[in-house]
Amino acid sequence: GAVVSQHPSRVICKSGTSVKIECRSLDFQATTMFWYRQFPKKSLMLMATSNEGSKATYEQGVEKDKFLINHASLTLSTLTVTSAHPEDSSFYICSAPRMYGYTFGSGTRLTVV
Amino acid sequence: QKEVEQDPGPLSVPEGAIVSLNCTYSNSAFQYFMWYRQYSRKGPELLMYTYSSGNKEDGRFTAQVDKSSKYISLFIRDSQPSDSATYLCAMSAERSGGTYKYIFGTGTRLKVLA
Repeated sequence: GAVVSQHPSRVICKSGTSVKIECRSLDFQATTMFWYRQFPKKSLMLMATSNEGSKATYEQGVEKDKFLINHASLTLSTLTVTSAHPEDSSFYICSAPRMYGYTFGSGTRLTVV
Repeated sequence: QKEVEQDPGPLSVPEGAIVSLNCTYSNSAFQYFMWYRQYSRKGPELLMYTYSSGNKEDGRFTAQVDKSSKYISLFIRDSQPSDSATYLCAMSAERSGGTYKYIFGTGTRLKVLA
């Protein structure tokens, strides 16, 4: 079945540093990748949609300069959290649309200290 | 009013019980309805997918959609401890430009006790 590999699964970084999260589609081409943020006991919140070869589309309220998204190839999309702060600590998940539903990555737990 | 409402639980049931998980929604434009299962610290995985009203069965799982009531359900028969997870409903509708609006419920945390 379709698999999206997300890396790293956990990362702890110091405040002010940047963190890159990668999502790779392993056995299919993902022209679109969705990036979500999930808080405990809260629903998945769509942050942005990345499209291969074009600029990402950000949801209202999401800072483009803080959450840099790159979709350089049909199998790789990256989310970089720049100048991270403790309030950026969260669970970040990518997903690629399939014919029926979405295939999700395994998520990245980011902790900013 | 939220577009999708889902009781966060937790819901605790004994092993072997029938579990009923539900979501209500307000947007009549939703056409596709999905249930995802999410284990702790993992990404959600698609369990069931239905289009429009009706029932769909897959093993111990049955998804039910009632568009007239804007109500969807997931039933789990003969529940097992391995079913313990958070179950998220999701629904989508086509929007202008050929893209889809995709909304998740908050998820219901289920615990099946051995």
